[in-house]
Amino acid sequence: EDKVVQSPLSLVVHEGDTVTLNCSYEVTNFRSLLWYKQEKKAPTFLFMLTSSGIEKKSGRLSSILDKKELFSILNITATQTGDSAVYLCATPGTSYGKLTFGQGTILTVHP
Amino acid sequence: EAQVTQNPRYLITVTGKKLTVTCSQNMNHEYMSWYRQDPGLGLRQIYYSMNVEVTDKGDVPEGYKVSRKEKRNFPLILESPSPNQTSLYFCASSFSSGTAAEQYFGPGTRLTVT
Repeated sequence: EDKVVQSPLSLVVHEGDTVTLNCSYEVTNFRSLLWYKQEKKAPTFLFMLTSSGIEKKSGRLSSILDKKELFSILNITATQTGDSAVYLCATPGTSYGKLTFGQGTILTVHP
Repeated sequence: EAQVTQNPRYLITVTGKKLTVTCSQNMNHEYMSWYRQDPGLGLRQIYYSMNVEVTDKGDVPEGYKVSRKEKRNFPLILESPSPNQTSLYFCASSFSSGTAAEQYFGPGTRLTVT
């Protein structure tokens, strides 16, 4: 059974702090790992990491994939209150079309 | 505007009364999927569809049905809703079905079954 576990489940920081969110996975046939951000609405896509693209960066957000240790991290530097959200990671399962999500990390950034 | 729409956005119903949540996308995406989101459990996949007339079970399909008669529509049917199906439901679509990458999500439907 495919499995995705995120940690921590919740995190409270102050503006300007740097945070690291973790995502570990177990899938039989790894193809990619995806990160989404969910504010008080639908998830929006952040990054996709694959065997050929293990590092991604967009502004203050960056993510790396460690295929050997089966985990990914999402880093957010100089956090802002607008970064407050649930961050979800997911990986396609053994069957094409299946997508398994982690529980999510609730990030709260205080002014 | 490229989007995924869901209707209704909010629904309160009673146990056993059949209901349908509609989902439509205007991006000509092949792949569509339904998820439910419950506190502490993240998103769990109910059903997905790789293309017209092709559907398959996700991780939590019990109590749900779907159909994909047209490319743009992917309705979720609850034949006999029960209180444990009270949840927030999301429909999503993507162009590529191989990696299920960059899924576009609808706004969500909050369902309460009493």
